[in-house]
Amino acid sequence: AQSVSQHNHHVILSEAASLELGCNYSYGGTVNLFWYVQYPGQHLQLLLKYFSGDPLVKGIKGFEAEFIKSKFSFNLRKPSVQWSDTAEYFCAVNAGSSASKIIFGSGTRLSIRP
Amino acid sequence: GAVVSQHPSRVICKSGTSVKIECRSLDFQATTMFWYRQFPKQSLMLMATSNEGSKATYEQGVEKDKFLINHASLTLSTLTVTSAHPEDSSFYICSARTAINNSPLHFGNGTRLTVT
Repeated sequence: AQSVSQHNHHVILSEAASLELGCNYSYGGTVNLFWYVQYPGQHLQLLLKYFSGDPLVKGIKGFEAEFIKSKFSFNLRKPSVQWSDTAEYFCAVNAGSSASKIIFGSGTRLSIRP
Repeated sequence: GAVVSQHPSRVICKSGTSVKIECRSLDFQATTMFWYRQFPKQSLMLMATSNEGSKATYEQGVEKDKFLINHASLTLSTLTVTSAHPEDSSFYICSARTAINNSPLHFGNGTRLTVT
């Protein structure tokens, strides 16, 4: 069965600090990988996704993620965070089919100190 | 962009009553819809997957008789919480995608259910 692990439950950073949120998944076959963000009081939005090709994926708002197949990881990064990045971040995976379910990690709450 | 409308956004009901939550795709055909439940400070827990015109597939531990899902058309799926109890109070979120390979998942704004 698929599963997704996000080990950082709450991350607190100062503005301009660099960010890396960990995401590991367990599934042996082809996967699609996603990062979603939920800003306070808003619905989930897609930050970026990986289906195939270049394992370094660039998303919106300066975020990027790197798929490392050998480590079953898809960590999210941003070189310099802003206060407006305060949100909940969810990693998600599905088994490479449009009909297959998407499983979410437990989420990481990011708090940015102004 | 694609929009998923979820209604109502908030509902308060008495214990023992049933509540229906609607999820509509406004500008695309949602062949697959997913229903999630989110407890405070926790992740989205997948409850069930529904494909238009067929029975929903429920995740382990989710009572199909309690959480009735109907996906009768390509633009509408409903979740009915039957005989609601206080422990059913939660945030319910639907999402939808088309049959196109690698199509993105679009989320509704969620429904806050409070059972008193």
